[in-house]
Amino acid sequence: GQQLNQSPQSMFIQEGEDVSMNCTSSSIFNTWLWYKQDPGEGPVLLIALYKAGELTSNGRLTAQFGITRKDSFLNISASIPSDVGIYFCAGQLYTGNQFYFGTGTSLTVIP
Amino acid sequence: SAVISQKPSRDICQRGTSLTIQCQVDSQVTMMFWYRQQPGQSLTLIATANQGSEATYESGFVIDKFPISRPNLTFSTLTVSNMSPEDSSIYLCSVEDTGQGVYEQYFGPGTRLTVT
Repeated sequence: GQQLNQSPQSMFIQEGEDVSMNCTSSSIFNTWLWYKQDPGEGPVLLIALYKAGELTSNGRLTAQFGITRKDSFLNISASIPSDVGIYFCAGQLYTGNQFYFGTGTSLTVIP
Repeated sequence: SAVISQKPSRDICQRGTSLTIQCQVDSQVTMMFWYRQQPGQSLTLIATANQGSEATYESGFVIDKFPISRPNLTFSTLTVSNMSPEDSSIYLCSVEDTGQGVYEQYFGPGTRLTVT
């Protein structure tokens, strides 16, 4: 299967700081999704991206579809304690194909 | 977005037994997916289940171990057969949603399985 590498693997930040994470692949994807997973819960879809270069926001979250189509980025501004969780990227090679999930970024926000 | 429920939410089972996990969606969907998430790991696709056809399994997963049913457009089951401690994982049901003309995928809350 496809390998999606997320970095960093984990982050410990102070409340109010901004967060950046990314997801890279050796393959070209046509769709990127970003999810957040809380302990004991299923992943919740945050942002979907469909075109190279696309920049999409959802509240304090902003994600970008990389120009090369091999990467995507997620930024969280002014972090708050409820941002704690594991963030996953997911990429789709072509419509109707399965999504491949990244390795995850664990975010801890220190009040 | 689709609302997905799973039953049971968690279970503790003995080795050698089988458990069937149910997934119910509040709208009709064409494709449903079953994932496994081992402790501290990412999500791995087990199989894709389309209504009216046999499930398509990913490499490393076989029908005898993970039989899947898809009797209609809102429901699916995954059975974990002849369980061993290595099957202890979270099992997640997921559906595609193309209601807005774009492709999005939503997840149920998961079933946390512990095999002793």
